[in-house]
Amino acid sequence: AQTVTQSQPEMSVQEAETVTLSCTYDTSESDYYLFWYKQPPSRQMILVIRQEAYKQQNATENRFSVNFQKAAKSFSLKISDSQLGDAAMYFCAYGDRDDKIIFGKGTRLHILP
Amino acid sequence: EPEVTQTPSHQVTQMGQEVILRCVPISNHLYFYWYRQILGQKVEFLVSFYNNEISEKSEIFDDQFSVERPDGSNFTLKIRSTKLEDSAMYFCAGQGPGANVLTFGAGSRLTVL
Repeated sequence: AQTVTQSQPEMSVQEAETVTLSCTYDTSESDYYLFWYKQPPSRQMILVIRQEAYKQQNATENRFSVNFQKAAKSFSLKISDSQLGDAAMYFCAYGDRDDKIIFGKGTRLHILP
Repeated sequence: EPEVTQTPSHQVTQMGQEVILRCVPISNHLYFYWYRQILGQKVEFLVSFYNNEISEKSEIFDDQFSVERPDGSNFTLKIRSTKLEDSAMYFCAGQGPGANVLTFGAGSRLTVL
């Protein structure tokens, strides 16, 4: 069965600094998707970034980028120039072609002014 | 490790029928949530539930939806009269007191014909 592990329950970063959130996963599939979702206090799940496993190039969205290591089954999220609005829970998730999605337990990110 | 359990894993129903999706959270969970993901789209927040009442709900959560936790264990999502557009994966999540982590269930796939 697929699993997603986020080993950092909480992290803090100084405003304007860079922070990396870790995520590892386990699957026997070769074709899948990986996601990072942000959950602010509003409880909405905001899709931050999406990576297709067959693409070697790391996905980027403005200040957000990933380091996707398929062989190591690692999918970390880097947030550059951290802003106060980045404070939230971040969930790493694995999705397969049947739209099954598995979430990690989340990492709470604090931004220090 | 304790899990959030959802049943059924897949339900097929006719349009207009009532559907109940069930979730058994971890025993110390106090906060409960339902999310859904329509095929190929992002995860959307539906409702949060605390102290036996809805604490927050989204625009999606209209009069056709209801939640309850009648026996202090199962947390259910009812769709009164299903529509084709209700076809989605529905995720239950729970959170313990003071916990930073949100634990998701494996999801219930609803197919409305």
